[in-house]
Amino acid sequence: DVVMTQSPLSLPVTLGQPASISCRSSQSLVYSDGNTYLNWFQQRPGQSPRRLIYKVSNRDSGVPDRFSGSGSGTDFTLKISRVEAEDVGVYYCMQGTHWPKTFGQGTKVEIK
Amino acid sequence: QVQLQESGPGLVKPSQTLSLTCTVSGGSISSGGYYWSWIRQHPGKGLEWIGYIYYSGSTYYNPSLKSRVTISVDTSKNQFSLKLSSVTAADTAVYYCARDDGGSFGYWGQGTLVTVSS
Repeated sequence: DVVMTQSPLSLPVTLGQPASISCRSSQSLVYSDGNTYLNWFQQRPGQSPRRLIYKVSNRDSGVPDRFSGSGSGTDFTLKISRVEAEDVGVYYCMQGTHWPKTFGQGTKVEIK
Repeated sequence: QVQLQESGPGLVKPSQTLSLTCTVSGGSISSGGYYWSWIRQHPGKGLEWIGYIYYSGSTYYNPSLKSRVTISVDTSKNQFSLKLSSVTAADTAVYYCARDDGGSFGYWGQGTLVTVSS
């Protein structure tokens, strides 16, 4: 299985400040069709995961533009330009290139 | 707007079979173009993909669970189902159904907690 490694696992952030989460895969996530199926999900306390970003850098509808994704190959990053209180939760990266699909361990974002 | 809703028993005895159903609204499973997945989350832990089914009935299961998992589809009811046999306490988790576009999960159900206990 492809192992997805996130860092940090805990991220205390001051409101209004930026935040960055790293995700590394044990294999390249470039699929044979040329796409890279790396996704980011947000899970707020008590809620289902919600997709924020698909194919590395595409924001889902309704996702604030303070969220952005970047990266290639095996190294990926989710950035929040200015953290707001509603951003508290656990963030997961997930690869859909290789079977079985696998998730990172999650990064808990909290307000300092 | 696609919506998914899981249903099924919240308590299952060890060695028995866990059975859950996901009802899809706002879109037809039989229209194709998407896979329909099950994902679980152990209490306080990360996410594990269990497997998916296509409207035609073709399936793919996570090898870690393959020997115990069956996913089926009922297009007439716009539902798909999960069966996990020979459960143990390690199968206690929140089970989610999700629409799988082949590379990601764009829509999720609210999840249902299944506890394995005698």
